[in-house]
Amino acid sequence: AQKITQTQPGMFVQEKEAVTLDCTYDTSDQSYGLFWYKQPSSGEMIFLIYQGSYDEQNATEGRYSLNFQKARKSANLVISASQLGDSAMYFCAMRERGYSSASKIIFGSGTRLSIRP
Amino acid sequence: DAEITQSPRHKITETGRQVTLACHQTWNHNNMFWYRQDLGHGLRLIHYSYGVQDTNKGEVSDGYSVSRSNTEDLPLTLESAASSQTSVYFCASSESRRDEQFFGPGTRLTVL
Repeated sequence: AQKITQTQPGMFVQEKEAVTLDCTYDTSDQSYGLFWYKQPSSGEMIFLIYQGSYDEQNATEGRYSLNFQKARKSANLVISASQLGDSAMYFCAMRERGYSSASKIIFGSGTRLSIRP
Repeated sequence: DAEITQSPRHKITETGRQVTLACHQTWNHNNMFWYRQDLGHGLRLIHYSYGVQDTNKGEVSDGYSVSRSNTEDLPLTLESAASSQTSVYFCASSESRRDEQFFGPGTRLTVL
């Protein structure tokens, strides 16, 4: 069965430093997608970045990049030059292919990131 | 602007009562999902729908039901609320090839 593992329940990082949030996944599908979401203290879920299993290059969105290592089944999120506003819960997720062309997403348990000034 | 809304945002109810949480999206997405979020569990899928009249059970569907009579709405019903259903509930929708999901603001439900 598909599974997402985030082994870091919490992290503290100094402002302006880069931070890597770990995510490993398990799937037998050849075609899948990986996502990262941010959940600030206000509670909303904010989509950050997407990586398709056939994408040859690592995805980047502004200060966010996804370090995709397919053979190791890892999809780590890298935040460059961290800011105080990056303090939040971060969820890694994987698209699980359903019986139709649509699909559902399974989530990891999350990593709480705290940025120190 | 297209959006996805949930109501109510906060609800307190008593054990045994029927509760319905509303989810409305104006993205015209075919796919809609309900999750619950509890400490230490991330988000767990309750029910999902791939279109009108289509509903499917997720990993934690016991005690919940949904119906999809139109594209825009997927109400979630707790038939007989239990204290174990105290949680934050998120509705989401998706349509794109990547299946990126857009989330509503969440409903905090407390069952006393």
